[in-house]
Amino acid sequence: LAKTTQPISMDSYEGQEVNITCSHNNIATNDYITWYQQFPSQGPRFIIQGYKTKVTNEVASLFIPADRKSSTLSLPRVSLSDTAVYYCLVGAYNTDKLIFGTGTRLQVFP
Amino acid sequence: DVKVTQSSRYLVKRTGEKVFLECVQDMDHENMFWYRQDPGLGLRLIYFSYDVKMKEKGDIPEGYSVSREKKERFSLILESASTNQTSMYLCASNRVTSVGEQYFGPGTRLTVT
Repeated sequence: LAKTTQPISMDSYEGQEVNITCSHNNIATNDYITWYQQFPSQGPRFIIQGYKTKVTNEVASLFIPADRKSSTLSLPRVSLSDTAVYYCLVGAYNTDKLIFGTGTRLQVFP
Repeated sequence: DVKVTQSSRYLVKRTGEKVFLECVQDMDHENMFWYRQDPGLGLRLIYFSYDVKMKEKGDIPEGYSVSREKKERFSLILESASTNQTSMYLCASNRVTSVGEQYFGPGTRLTVT
């Protein structure tokens, strides 16, 4: 299973765009990339998933370059409520076994 | 909305006790999972189940067992609780067709003294 590396923490201010990059150098052909968000004392919540290029939903965008060795979660115009831990996961289509790393702790300041 | 509920938010048990953590989902999901979350270690998969009465070991099954007698319910059992099992326990579920997107419960913070 591909290992992921992401920054331990990031700081931002309200209204700014935040980009969190995840490295997954040994991603396999049948692996997809998924991002989760977790608030204190809650379970993780699915944000977005992609395989290649760009995916956008109402919450975030996910950018995946052609070599798929990294991915970037983009949160437009963050607010205080976006303060959370963000996890990047890589997993295969033929298994639902998710590997969570330690995540990136995003702190948004007023 | 999918709802995954866990029997307790906080639980305190003594070393050697048998502990049951219950998880119920209301969306007829085939798959159910148990994770534990510890500071600096992220979430680690303990066991998962693809169907009633079926179970598979995750990354850290030692000291735990599971039971899935009904589709909506997945129980995690600590046969003899130890202090190193003090942790946050998270249950999740999803459809077999929705690989990667899991729905998590609120978690049970278990303290073993």
